Amino acid sequence: AQSVTQLDSQVPVFEEAPVELRCNYSSSVSVYLFWYVQYPNQGLQLLLKYLSGSTLVESINGFEAEFNKSQTSFHLRKPSVHISDTAEYFCAVSGSGGATNKLIFGTGTLLAVQP
Amino acid sequence: GAGVSQSPRYKVAKRGQDVALRCDPISGHVSLFWYQQALGQGPEFLTYFQNEAQLDKSGLPSDRFFAERPEGSVSTLKIQRTQQEDSAVYLCASRFGTGSSYEQYFGPGTRLTVT
Repeated sequence: AQSVTQLDSQVPVFEEAPVELRCNYSSSVSVYLFWYVQYPNQGLQLLLKYLSGSTLVESINGFEAEFNKSQTSFHLRKPSVHISDTAEYFCAVSGSGGATNKLIFGTGTLLAVQP
Repeated sequence: GAGVSQSPRYKVAKRGQDVALRCDPISGHVSLFWYQQALGQGPEFLTYFQNEAQLDKSGLPSDRFFAERPEGSVSTLKIQRTQQEDSAVYLCASRFGTGSSYEQYFGPGTRLTVT
């Protein structure tokens, strides 16, 4: 079984400041890791994913996440946030094999960017 | 192209009523998932279809919940004798392939309120 922990329910940050959203996972099998973003009144969108290879993955809008197997973490970072980054961010894990490969989500972190 | 659509977007039901929630996945997507997202929580897996076959229904909370995808395209989630604890956003997601390396595309969700 897999589980995901996002310890921070809300992260307030000023515009142009750096931010880190923390994600830790637990699994007895190999996993794929994902970050999804949910903007106000919109559906979930994939932000970035780690499948294999380089442990550092990047999104098109400046976010990056690093897979750390020894610490079972997949923290999301951005060096300089914008007001438009205000959204709920969900970390998710999926088994890399099996019949279903459903996503197991954390409880989410609200990133609140202030001017 | 069109994304995943869900209808209705909002549903208010009196306790004890039956409801039916519809999901139109992206055309050609083999895999279809239903998730339940309670207020302040991350989405939780309900059930999974591969084409018309329901391969995993381990997340359905009770026998009042029933899902079908008879022709391998549109899916319906039915909840019988709704209870207040059923109030949540119900998300549908579709995926092109069967492996978890493929991205899950989410619909906007149906917000169900049971009064």
